Amino acid sequence: GAVVSQHPSWVICKSGTSVKIECRSLDFQATTMFWYRQFPKQSLMLMATSNEGSKATYEQGVEKDKFLINHASLTLSTLTVTSAHPEDSSFYICSASRDSQAQYFGPGTRLLVL
Amino acid sequence: SQQGEEDPQALSIQEGENATMNCSYKTSINNLQWYRQNSGRGLVHLILIRSNEREKHSGRLRVTLDTSKKSSSLLITASRAADTASYFCATPNTGFQKLVFGTGTRLLVSP
Repeated sequence: GAVVSQHPSWVICKSGTSVKIECRSLDFQATTMFWYRQFPKQSLMLMATSNEGSKATYEQGVEKDKFLINHASLTLSTLTVTSAHPEDSSFYICSASRDSQAQYFGPGTRLLVL
Repeated sequence: SQQGEEDPQALSIQEGENATMNCSYKTSINNLQWYRQNSGRGLVHLILIRSNEREKHSGRLRVTLDTSKKSSSLLITASRAADTASYFCATPNTGFQKLVFGTGTRLLVSP
C-alpha cells in the first residue's frame, strides 16, 4: 500500500510554455501533499506544502505565481510551472502523507526546458 | 538552514562489506527518517526512529540515534550491488511533518 504516482515521468518543453505535473495517491487518501525540487547530485528542497481544499504554503524563495499548486481532492495534487525557463529544469518530486509521520514519494518528474 | 549534514558524501565498497552513513541535524526532533533514492527516481522510506529510541533494526539496516549529539547513523550490513543508491536522512520541521533532508550519501557497491 501507500503508492504515489506522478505524471508525466519526464517532459521537454520550450521556454515560455507552462507544464502541469500530477501527483496521485493511488491507494490511500492523502491529507497533505508536498512538492520538492532536486537539482543534480543535490538534496531535495521543499517547495510547498499542500492540504486538500486549501491554499498551498510555499517555502521562502519559491514564487507562488510561478509554481501553481492545486490540491483538489484527497488523492490528487497538481504543480504547474508557468512560463517555464531553462533554469526551471529540474527533477520534481511529490510526496503524500496520510498521517503525521511517514511520507510516501512519487517517482519524480524530470523537466527539461529548452 | 536546518538542513542536515551527512557524511561521507560518497562511499564506495565491495559487496558483502558493511556501509555506515552518518547524519547530523540542528534542531530538536521527535523522529528521524532515512530514505533511499535510486538514480533518477523517487525516494523510498527505509526506517523511522523516534526521539526516545536509541537503536532500530529492519532487515539488514540498523539505525542509531543520539539526541544529545544530534546525530544518527545508518548501517547496511552485508551490502549488495542493489544497495547502490543515494541515502538521505530527514527530520520533520517544527509545527508539522515538513521534512528537511540532509545532503545525502551516494553509496556505490561493486560486485
